[in-house]
Amino acid sequence: GQSLEQPSEVTAVEGAIVQINCTYQTSGFYGLSWYQQHDGGAPTFLSYNGLDGLEETGRFSSFLSRSDSYGYLLLQELQMKDSASYFCVLNSGYSTLTFGKGTMLLVSP
Amino acid sequence: DAGVIQSPRHEVTEMGQEVTLRCKPISGHDYLFWYRQTMMRGLELLIYFNNNVPIDDSGMPEDRFSAKMPNASFSTLKIQPSEPRDSAVYFCASSFSAGGSEQYFGPGTRLTVT
Repeated sequence: GQSLEQPSEVTAVEGAIVQINCTYQTSGFYGLSWYQQHDGGAPTFLSYNGLDGLEETGRFSSFLSRSDSYGYLLLQELQMKDSASYFCVLNSGYSTLTFGKGTMLLVSP
Repeated sequence: DAGVIQSPRHEVTEMGQEVTLRCKPISGHDYLFWYRQTMMRGLELLIYFNNNVPIDDSGMPEDRFSAKMPNASFSTLKIQPSEPRDSAVYFCASSFSAGGSEQYFGPGTRLTVT
């Protein structure tokens, strides 16, 4: 089977940097994605790591290490609007996504 | 494009009733997915279609659930009969073959079964 572990909640202040870690267990996968979901809203795609290393998209970066079964999402220059849930997602087939339970990020002034 | 469209946005029904959720994917997308989200179980894939054909329905909880995609612009998820434990937010998402891992989610249908 597959499983993902990520913290349930993280708190930070505006302007800070926060890292949300994700560890996983799987027999095989294509890559690791991250999705953001605001309360009451739809999940939206943030990033994808198909290879080991760092991917940067504006204020957000994501990292994958297959040898360590580990990844993280890094959010810089935090803004209040970044308060949301962030999901670590295994791409275990071309179109099969397995979502973690999500990390609720609370950004305070 | 208007994005993925789902209806209704909210549905309240009594146990035993039939519920039909509807989805219109983004034009040109050839994959369509149905997910269910609850506090206890998180976001779970129920079924997905490729070019209107069901590919994997292993996530469908039981025979009370069924999904169809009669054409490229419309899909339904039906629950008959509904039970209180079916209460959840149901999301439809779509993607296209060349889009990699990015799926576009609709706003969801919040279902409450009393």
